[in-house]
Amino acid sequence: AQKVTQAQTEISVVEKEDVTLDCVYETRDTTYYLFWYKQPPSGELVFLIRRNSFDEQNEISGRYSWNFQKSTSSFNFTITASQVVDSAVYFCALRGGITGANSKLTFGKGITLSVRP
Amino acid sequence: EAEVAQSPRYKITEKSQAVAFWCDPISGHATLYWYRQILGQGPELLVQFQDESVVDDSQLPKDRFSAERLKGVDSTLKIQPAELGDSAMYLCASSTGQGPYEQYFGPGTRLTVT
Repeated sequence: AQKVTQAQTEISVVEKEDVTLDCVYETRDTTYYLFWYKQPPSGELVFLIRRNSFDEQNEISGRYSWNFQKSTSSFNFTITASQVVDSAVYFCALRGGITGANSKLTFGKGITLSVRP
Repeated sequence: EAEVAQSPRYKITEKSQAVAFWCDPISGHATLYWYRQILGQGPELLVQFQDESVVDDSQLPKDRFSAERLKGVDSTLKIQPAELGDSAMYLCASSTGQGPYEQYFGPGTRLTVT
């Protein structure tokens, strides 16, 4: 069984602060894929990043960075110099690496981030 | 930029009525997913299509829910009869294939059953 835990439920920061969103996952697959999605108030899930289990290199994209650590089964997301537009619900998701029909994503419960001016 | 289209965006229906949602995936995307998202939770897969074939509907309450993708392009999800517990956001997503590809989501249909 696969599981994604986002222990933080709500985070509130002041604009320009850095914030880290935690994600811990469980899977028995040796190959798997991790994702982060952003859900603004409009409701649409916006894809942010995909990480393969065999690639532990951290990634930076502008103000966003991701820290993948297989040893602790974590895939954390950091927003540097947060902005009001970053306010949204952020989901971490997991997909097993078994090839075949089922490619569904298992999502965490999400973290609501509020960035105050 | 290509997007996944869904309609309606909002739907209010009475208990025991029938309701249908429509999804048009990104052109060329063979795989289509319907997810249900209850308030405060992450999305959960209801059904997955590869072209016109159902690949996974293990979490679809088949006594009241049905889904089809007749020509392998757009898809319809139906609930009959609707129950109070069906109130949720219904999200459609598509991807290029069944592999570990990014799934792109539509804006969703927010269903309220009264």
